[in-house]
Amino acid sequence: AQSVTQLGSHVSVSEGALVLLRCNYSSSVPPYLFWYVQYPNQGLQLLLKYTTGATLVKGINGFEAEFKKSETSFHLTKPSAHMSDAAEYFCAVSAREEYNFNKFYFGSGTKLNVKP
Amino acid sequence: NAGVTQTPKFRVLKTGQSMTLLCAQDMNHEYMYWYRQDPGMGLRLIHYSVGEGTTAKGEVPDGYNVSRLKKQNFLLGLESAAPSQTSVYFCASSQTGSLTGELFFGEGSRLTVL
Repeated sequence: AQSVTQLGSHVSVSEGALVLLRCNYSSSVPPYLFWYVQYPNQGLQLLLKYTTGATLVKGINGFEAEFKKSETSFHLTKPSAHMSDAAEYFCAVSAREEYNFNKFYFGSGTKLNVKP
Repeated sequence: NAGVTQTPKFRVLKTGQSMTLLCAQDMNHEYMYWYRQDPGMGLRLIHYSVGEGTTAKGEVPDGYNVSRLKKQNFLLGLESAAPSQTSVYFCASSQTGSLTGELFFGEGSRLTVL
């Protein structure tokens, strides 16, 4: 079975500081990994995804994530936090289930707080 | 530029009442999904549909029913609401069922069952 673990339900950083949100997964090969962001009172939107190829993936708003197979990790980073980055972030992995249905497994989410 | 639209956005029910959440997408997507979001638990799949007229159970289907009579609409019904169904419900759609495909989400429907 597939699963996603996000370490830290709440992360707080100062504006301008490094953002690091952790995600570890368990998945059969190959893993397809995603980060989604949810701003207050909104639905989730795709931030970035890893499918194949380059292990460092760049997304919107200056975020990037690195797929590390040996560590089964897909941590999300941003060099300099901005107040507008305050949101909840979800890591997800997709896997093929029965009847050829591709299911997404979501982590429990990490709320990012950015302090002025 | 609507994307995925959910109605209603907020609803308060009493235990035992029924209601239907409507999801509409204008992107001609084949796949549609209903998730519930609870604190500390991320998103859990309730039901999904791989095309008009087809539906299937997800992780937590008990107490819910769905219908996909039209490609653009996916309805989630609660026949007899329970307090455990207090949650935020998200509808999503995707163009295909590809493993690498993106899910497009609605803004959510917040349901409180008293």
